[in-house]
Amino acid sequence: AQSVSQHNHHVILSEAASLELGCNYSYGGTVNLFWYVQYPGQHLQLLLKYFSGDPLVKGIKGFEAEFIKSKFSFNLRKPSVQWSDTAEYFCAVIMNRDDKIIFGKGTRLHILP
Amino acid sequence: DAGVTQSPTHLIKTRGQQVTLRCSPKSGHDTVSWYQQALGQGPQFIFQYYEEEERQRGNFPDRFSGHQFPNYSSELNVNALLLGDSALYLCASSLSHGEQFFGPGTRLTVL
Repeated sequence: AQSVSQHNHHVILSEAASLELGCNYSYGGTVNLFWYVQYPGQHLQLLLKYFSGDPLVKGIKGFEAEFIKSKFSFNLRKPSVQWSDTAEYFCAVIMNRDDKIIFGKGTRLHILP
Repeated sequence: DAGVTQSPTHLIKTRGQQVTLRCSPKSGHDTVSWYQQALGQGPQFIFQYYEEEERQRGNFPDRFSGHQFPNYSSELNVNALLLGDSALYLCASSLSHGEQFFGPGTRLTVL
């Protein structure tokens, strides 16, 4: 079955640490890839997306993600996190361009000041 | 621009009852998608409406139905509520297959 896996359910880091959140999907065809973030008390909002082209995608607030087709992965990275990055992060995939969007279970990120 | 709005914010129902949730899309958007987010899970796609028709559907039973009105607003109806239907229901709007913008959600509790 088509699925999206986020390996880390809960991550705790100190400010200025580097971040990498894993995301893998199970589908061999064309994909559109997304990372969404939900800050405490706020709506889900789009961090970045990949449709085609350069597999290294830059998003808002210094986040980036790299699409590695051979590994079916779309990991989210940030070189130096801030306390304000505390939030829940969701990887999402559209498998086969007109199909529905499938979300991972989310990773809760907690940044220690 | 008010963005995506949903009503009500919270709702408590008992098993067997029926519920209707409402969503107004972001201005200029013509597509509305509905998601169910259970505690500790990611959003799960219920269905999507475009031009007043259901365009896609996820793995949800027929108890979940919807409607889109000419002004692009949408309703989600759930019949014969079960305890397991307790969740946050999210609405997202987009321009056809473009980026989806999410609303704040309706928290449904079924007792």
